[in-house]
Amino acid sequence: GAVVSQHPSWVICKSGTSVKIECRSLDFQATTMFWYRQFPKQSLMLMATSNEGSKATYEQGVEKDKFLINHASLTLSTLTVTSAHPEDSSFYICSASWDRDGGELFFGEGSRLTVL
Amino acid sequence: QQQVKQSPQSLIVQKGGISIINCAYENTAFDYFPWYQQFPGKGPALLIAIRPDVSEKKEGRFTISFNKSAKQFSLHIMDSQPGDSATYFCPPILTGGGNKLTFGTGTQLKVEL
Repeated sequence: GAVVSQHPSWVICKSGTSVKIECRSLDFQATTMFWYRQFPKQSLMLMATSNEGSKATYEQGVEKDKFLINHASLTLSTLTVTSAHPEDSSFYICSASWDRDGGELFFGEGSRLTVL
Repeated sequence: QQQVKQSPQSLIVQKGGISIINCAYENTAFDYFPWYQQFPGKGPALLIAIRPDVSEKKEGRFTISFNKSAKQFSLHIMDSQPGDSATYFCPPILTGGGNKLTFGTGTQLKVEL
């Protein structure tokens, strides 16, 4: 199956700092990638759709200025949590597909963010 | 509007038994029905998926049964193993709609020895 890689796997930062998480499709090109957030023992919540070469589409209730998404190439999307606070601590997961409308999505391993 | 309802929310099965998880959806336009498996601290992985032109698909110990008229699809895990202990999600997709997934609550499966 296709491989989606996230980096870092875990990160600890101080409150007020910004953290960048990378999502890469290793063996395919993805015009669209998705970012999710998951709290312990809860489901995945879609945060935004990352579109290569254009602005991300954010879900209702997700702060655009807080969670900056950049999809500069067909294999890389980044999520930057700006001015992170303890309530931003969560498990962030990305997904991608080589076929924008084909249905099969591949997920990264996730990135655990802890804000002190 | 809750588009996906999974049941049960949690399930305990003895090793060697059959695990059955159900998924009910509302949008009849969905045309791709996957099951994802997620282990703690990991991202979800596609386990098996079905399209509405068939009623059943089997891959190894995993089977999807699809009931279009009832707007339900289920996952059957035969000969359940402790390694199957995970959370399972069933986010149906409208292909052609950009692959946007809406996850339900998930089902936590525990397979005991």
